[in-house]
This record gives sequence, C-alpha cells and structure tokens, in this order.
Amino acid sequence: SQKIEQNSEALNIQEGKTATLTCNYTNYSPAYLQWYRQDPGRGPVFLLLIRENEKEKRKERLKVTFDTTLKQSLFHITASQPADSATYLCALEPTGAGSYQLTFGKGTKLSVIP
Amino acid sequence: EAQVTQNPRYLITVTGKKLTVTCSQNMNHEYMSWYRQDPGLGLRQIYYSMNVEVTDKGDVPEGYKVSRKEKRNFPLILESPSPNQTSLYFCASSQAGTQYFGPGTRLTVL
Repeated sequence: SQKIEQNSEALNIQEGKTATLTCNYTNYSPAYLQWYRQDPGRGPVFLLLIRENEKEKRKERLKVTFDTTLKQSLFHITASQPADSATYLCALEPTGAGSYQLTFGKGTKLSVIP
Repeated sequence: EAQVTQNPRYLITVTGKKLTVTCSQNMNHEYMSWYRQDPGLGLRQIYYSMNVEVTDKGDVPEGYKVSRKEKRNFPLILESPSPNQTSLYFCASSQAGTQYFGPGTRLTVL
C-alpha cells in the first residue's frame, strides 16, 4: 500500500542548530514533493516544492532535498529560531495525478528551545 | 489580498441537522479541495474540484457532498452530520501544485 511517513512525531532542538526533518514514502512515484508549515489551529502554509528531477532546493534558511532512489526527502532549517516552532508536513502528488491528489504525511512537530 | 476564506470558523451542531460550510477564494484558481484533519490521522482529502461543475471524491468522501457552480466558491455540505464528523476542516485552492489553505472550520457534532 502507499505510505508517507514522517518518522518523527516530535523533534526538539536548541536555538541556532540545524533542524532536519525526514519524509519517506513507499509505492509512489511522485512528480514533486512539497513541504508545509502548520501552526496550531491554523491552515498549512506552503514553504517549498521540489520536483522529481531536482536534487536540492533552497529558500532563505530552508533547504529541501529529494532522493527518488531512497524515496526520501529531507527538510532542513538552519540557524533555527523559536519562531520556527511549528508542525511541518510533507506532501506529495503521484506522477500524472494532477495537483488535486495531494497526499500529506502526519507531520513532525518541531520545538526550538531558546 | 489573495486568500481563501471559510465560514463559519466554529460550529457546534447536533446529529442529523444539515449544515453547509462555505469556502471562497479570490485567486481565480481552477482547483479547490476540502480536507479534514484529525489527531493521529493527519490531513485527509474529502473532495476536490478541477473546475466549475467538475468534482470528484478524495480519500474520505462518505457523508459529505460538494458543489462547484462558480469558480470562486466550493461549499461543503453535510446532509446528516454524525459525531464521527467532528473534526477540523480546511478548504484549499491550488495553482501549479501549491495549495493555499483557508483558516479552518472547527466542527463539533453532538
């Protein structure tokens, strides 16, 4: 069966360190993978999209990698700040399915400790 | 301001009383969808729409209806709500794969 797994429900790190979150998937061949941030009680907010032919994408302190051989994406936040504390969701869309069949992982709750 | 709006934001109702949650977007997106989010289960897609008058089931459509008569609006209808539909609901619209979510509707069915 198809699965998306974010293998940490929660991650605590010290301010200033790099946070690394993992998203693994099985039985998908995604056209692209996305990362979202969600604060408590609010809707997810899009952060980054990486396509299957891209290895790495950056945006300010954020970096995403995508390894289609390992079926894994890593999401890094460098120089983390308490304001980065939130739940981070990965989402993928199977190749050819179109943007209407996005499937989300359950998320990793990141806490950045001052 | 580009946004997705949902109403109501909070709703407490009783079993069997029909309700509608409205969703509207001002970004002229063709694609819209509804999700529910439950602890331990994450975000699950209920229905989606690729354009006006085109809708299809997502992963958990049972007990829900939708309609897409205009591009900007995508209401979610619960004809006969049950307690297992107590959840946090999100509407989203999409362009080029990126989803823009509304603020959420917290529904409690007693």
